[in-house]
Amino acid sequence: GQQVMQIPQYQHVQEGEDFTTYCNSSTTLSNIQWYKQRPGGHPVFLIQLVKSGEVKKQKRLTFQFGEAKKNSSLHITATQTTDVGTYFCAGPRSDYKLSFGAGTTVTVRA
Amino acid sequence: GAGVSQSPSNKVTEKGKDVELRCDPISGHTALYWYRQSLGQGLEFLIYFQGNSAPDKSGLPSDRFSAERTGGSVSTLTIQRTQQEDSAVYLCASSLIASGHYNEQFFGPGTRLTVL
Repeated sequence: GQQVMQIPQYQHVQEGEDFTTYCNSSTTLSNIQWYKQRPGGHPVFLIQLVKSGEVKKQKRLTFQFGEAKKNSSLHITATQTTDVGTYFCAGPRSDYKLSFGAGTTVTVRA
Repeated sequence: GAGVSQSPSNKVTEKGKDVELRCDPISGHTALYWYRQSLGQGLEFLIYFQGNSAPDKSGLPSDRFSAERTGGSVSTLTIQRTQQEDSAVYLCASSLIASGHYNEQFFGPGTRLTVL
């Protein structure tokens, strides 16, 4: 079935630096969702992208949906310790199920 | 309103015992999902309920796993004859389904299952 792949699996970032995590699919996606899971917590919805080439911003987080709707990225600027956690992208499967990527786990060096 | 709740938060059991995990979704959410998350891993889909339709059980790893949803609300995930490889966090999520739209999923805090 349809799967989404995330890279990198781990991202170690110096506080204040920027980084990007990527989500790729072999098939066209109707939409893509991003979730964040803090250590010891549960996934929390961040955003959904629907349109080709769509870009959405949430403070220091910038989400982008590729023109071909096969990939997406999350860019975080000026990383803070509050950004620690695992970021999952999720693409739709049939019947309103989601296929989650393996996640990018972010750690921050102060 | 209240979010998704799950109980128990932690469950330690002995190999071979049966366990029941409970999920109480957000009121009015017709879709309910169960996922399994092993340590440091992603989310493994287990089962999906939508309204009164037959559940999608395609993710259940073996016939030791079963789930039901009573009255379109509370759901119970049952694992029979637990094995050590069943140790994981079991997450429940609910969603408001609108035709043609994939809405966000709201996750519960999870049940951490440890099989000794």
